[in-house]
Amino acid sequence: GENVEQHPSTLSVQEGDSAVIKCTYSDSASNYFPWYKQELGKRPQLIIDIRSNVGEKKDQRIAVTLNKTAKHFSLHITETQPEDSAVYFCAASRNAGGTSYGKLTFGQGTILTVHP
Amino acid sequence: DTGVSQDPRHKITKRGQNVTFRCDPISEHNRLYWYRQTLGQGPEFLTYFQNEAQLEKSRLLSDRFSAERPKGSFSTLEIQRTEQGDSAMYLCASSLRGNQETQYFGPGTRLLVL
Repeated sequence: GENVEQHPSTLSVQEGDSAVIKCTYSDSASNYFPWYKQELGKRPQLIIDIRSNVGEKKDQRIAVTLNKTAKHFSLHITETQPEDSAVYFCAASRNAGGTSYGKLTFGQGTILTVHP
Repeated sequence: DTGVSQDPRHKITKRGQNVTFRCDPISEHNRLYWYRQTLGQGPEFLTYFQNEAQLEKSRLLSDRFSAERPKGSFSTLEIQRTEQGDSAMYLCASSLRGNQETQYFGPGTRLLVL
């Protein structure tokens, strides 16, 4: 089955700096890669996602890049703010036309702390 | 609130008791997923439904676990003869036909087995 590795496990940055979180996956058939943000005691919330036919996607201060050949994808947060502090999870899934699988395999999470 | 809802939010039980959790997906979402999350880990897939059909179950889902979605709307997850190792957050997510990759999560049910 799919295996997703995420690094680093903790990341501490100063407000205004950039933060980068990296994930690798094992199943070459995976074609959907979402990122979730989870604050303490709250539900995981989707912040950005990318499909395998795209190499990069941006949404304001957040961007995700995908390298299908190397089977890795990364989350980039620019101009970090204290409210970006949370646990971030990457995930991967296979979604094929016809029979769609859909289950998400998550990485272990990255605790991001943004210091004012 | 039109998001995914779960009930109860917290459950404390004694080892050996049975517990049942409920998930109400976003209206018209035809897919419903159950995940389990332990402290410091990412969610782990348990099972999912497309409408009322249970299409896949993880090997994590022992025979003490059963899930149903009888009318293709809400779902229940039952754990029989609970063990201390069942203590975790149980998360439900749903997705919409035509955009089935995007899963929206509920707030979870935190289970503590004493």
